[in-house]
Amino acid sequence: LAKTTQPISMDSYEGQEVNITCSHNNIATNDYITWYQQFPSQGPRFIIQGYKTKVTNEVASLFIPADRKSSTLSLPRVSLSDTAVYYCLVGNYGGSQGNLIFGKGTKLSVKP
Amino acid sequence: ETGVTQSPTHLIKTRGQQVTLRCSSQSGHNTVSWYQQALGQGPQFIFQYYREEENGRGNFPPRFSGLQFPNYSSELNVNALELDDSALYLCASSLEVRGYTGELFFGEGSRLTVL
Repeated sequence: LAKTTQPISMDSYEGQEVNITCSHNNIATNDYITWYQQFPSQGPRFIIQGYKTKVTNEVASLFIPADRKSSTLSLPRVSLSDTAVYYCLVGNYGGSQGNLIFGKGTKLSVKP
Repeated sequence: ETGVTQSPTHLIKTRGQQVTLRCSSQSGHNTVSWYQQALGQGPQFIFQYYREEENGRGNFPPRFSGLQFPNYSSELNVNALELDDSALYLCASSLEVRGYTGELFFGEGSRLTVL
C-alpha cells in the first residue's frame, strides 16, 4: 500500500497561491493520486485526481512529475473559506477502497 | 451537497451497548464504504459494499459489521462498544464501473460518543 507524507500544517494569507506537496515514494504503476478537502465536522470532499503531468479544474491544479513519487496540489488565490484539512491519497481505485489510505492530512490556515 | 445522508448525526452510548448507523447513498451509486475518523486523525477505512456484498475490509474487528440494501442504502453495526469507538463515522458512496471506483462522495457523518 502506497504511503503518503504531507506537511502537518501550513499558513497562508488571503489572495496567495498555496502549494501543498505530498510524497509517495512507493506509488504503484496503476495508482492514481487524489486530493480531498475536509472542514470540521464534515465529510471529506473530492478536489482533484490525476495520474501524471498536470491536471486542472475550476478549484485547483495538480502537478505530478515524471517519476510520480510526489505531487503538488496548487490552490490559486486562497480565501478564508479554504481553511481546512487537505488529504493526499494514492490508490488504484480498482474495486475495494481498502487501498486508499488517508494520512493525517495538511491543516491549511488562511489568514486575512 | 453530496446527496449522501447519514443518521443519526449525533448519539451517545455506553460501553458494551450496540449501535446502528445508517447511510443513504447518492442516487445511481452502487458502492458504499464506511470510515472511522478519530479526533485529529484522517478517516480509517472500515469496509466497503458493492451490490450488497462486502468486497473489502480494513483492520477492524468482526464486531464491526454492515449491510447494503437493494436500494444501495447501508448500515454500519457495532457491537460491544468500547470507549475507543468514540469517533466520527463517515459513509461514502461511489459508482463502480468495470472494476474502477470513481470519486467518493461523503456524508456529513455520525458522531458517536461512548461513555
